[in-house]
Amino acid sequence: GESVGLHLPTLSVQEGDNSIINCAYSNSASDYFIWYKQESGKGPQFIIDIRSNMDKRQGQRVTVLLNKTVKHLSLQIAATQPGDSAVYFCAELNQAGTALIFGKGTTLSVSS
Amino acid sequence: EAGVAQSPRYKIIEKRQSVAFWCNPISGHATLYWYQQILGQGPKLLIQFQNNGVVDDSQLPKDRFSAERLKGVDSTLKIQPAKLEDSAVYLCASSSGQGYSPLHFGNGTRLTVT
Repeated sequence: GESVGLHLPTLSVQEGDNSIINCAYSNSASDYFIWYKQESGKGPQFIIDIRSNMDKRQGQRVTVLLNKTVKHLSLQIAATQPGDSAVYFCAELNQAGTALIFGKGTTLSVSS
Repeated sequence: EAGVAQSPRYKIIEKRQSVAFWCNPISGHATLYWYQQILGQGPKLLIQFQNNGVVDDSQLPKDRFSAERLKGVDSTLKIQPAKLEDSAVYLCASSSGQGYSPLHFGNGTRLTVT
């Protein structure tokens, strides 16, 4: 079946450190993945996406890595700031290719 | 560009009552989604529209939930009658196309059923 999960429910880092949030997916046929950030009381906010024909994609302070061999996705945040504190979700395209399936989320806490 | 608008922001009702949520997607976005997010979990798809047609409503509890998207723009999601387990945040999202397009979410309606 389709399911997306995360390795750790919480992650605590110091300001300025690099953060790595991990995600495992089960559908080997998935070909599109997205990371979202959700702050308290707000809807999920798009961070970065990646297609399965890529291993890595970089944005501003963020990098997504895709390892299709072990069905693993990670989000790296460089120089983490207090404003990065939020819940992070990975999501994959469903088998029909029409909508996103979300994992449970990792809560990132950044202390200064 | 204006984002996805949702109302109301909060709603408290008693079980067996009815409730409706409204969503206005980003202008020009043909695809609209309703997701349910229970506290501590990721969003779960309820229904997906392409223009004013339903693409996927396989996870919508049709005995109590209904949704429509008249004229292919705004959408409403209704629950009648509500149950305690319907307490959640209801998120509306839109995208410019199906599949390989990021979804843009509104801030949701937080429903509490007592």
